[in-house]
Amino acid sequence: AQSVTQLDSQVPVFEEAPVELRCNYSSSVSVYLFWYVQYPNQGLQLLLKYLSGSTLVKGINGFEAEFNKSQTSFHLRKPSVHISDTAEYFCAVNPSAAGNKLTFGGGTRVLVKP
Amino acid sequence: NAGVTQTPKFRVLKTGQSMTLLCAQDMNHEYMYWYRQDPGMGLRLIHYSVGEGTTAKGEVPDGYNVSRLKKQNFLLGLESAAPSQTSVYFCASRHEGAGGYTFGSGTRLTVV
Repeated sequence: AQSVTQLDSQVPVFEEAPVELRCNYSSSVSVYLFWYVQYPNQGLQLLLKYLSGSTLVKGINGFEAEFNKSQTSFHLRKPSVHISDTAEYFCAVNPSAAGNKLTFGGGTRVLVKP
Repeated sequence: NAGVTQTPKFRVLKTGQSMTLLCAQDMNHEYMYWYRQDPGMGLRLIHYSVGEGTTAKGEVPDGYNVSRLKKQNFLLGLESAAPSQTSVYFCASRHEGAGGYTFGSGTRLTVV
């Protein structure tokens, strides 16, 4: 079984400042990794995913994440946030071998202040 | 627009009542999922289906039943609602392979 830990439940950040959201996972098998964003009163939208290849993954809205196998981490970053980035962000993992169940972290709420 | 549609969007139930949540997708996806979202706990898998006519238990299946009689629909039933089932319920679907999931916009259920 796998588990996902998002170390920060809330991250306040000023507009145009950088932000990093931390995600660590545990799994006995290799995994695929995902970041989702949830805007208020909406469903989840895929930001980016790591399946294989380059460990630096670029997603939508200027976000990127880096897969670190030795540290079992998949931290999400954005160099300059906007007010519209205020949302909740979820890290998720899915076993890469015959896996079909996504396991989510507890979420990180990002509040961008003007 | 193509995607995942959940009905209803909001519902208030009394303890002991029953109801069915409907999820419909028009993307011909094989896999479908029901999650519940509670503050600080992320999304937890209730039940899922890997194809028409098949269902399986997820992480928190107790108190829920599901059916997948048609490929495009995945129903979640609560036979006797309890206050602990107050939550936001999300349906999701995906193709085979490693792609991301497509989520519905959620159903906010309150059990009083």
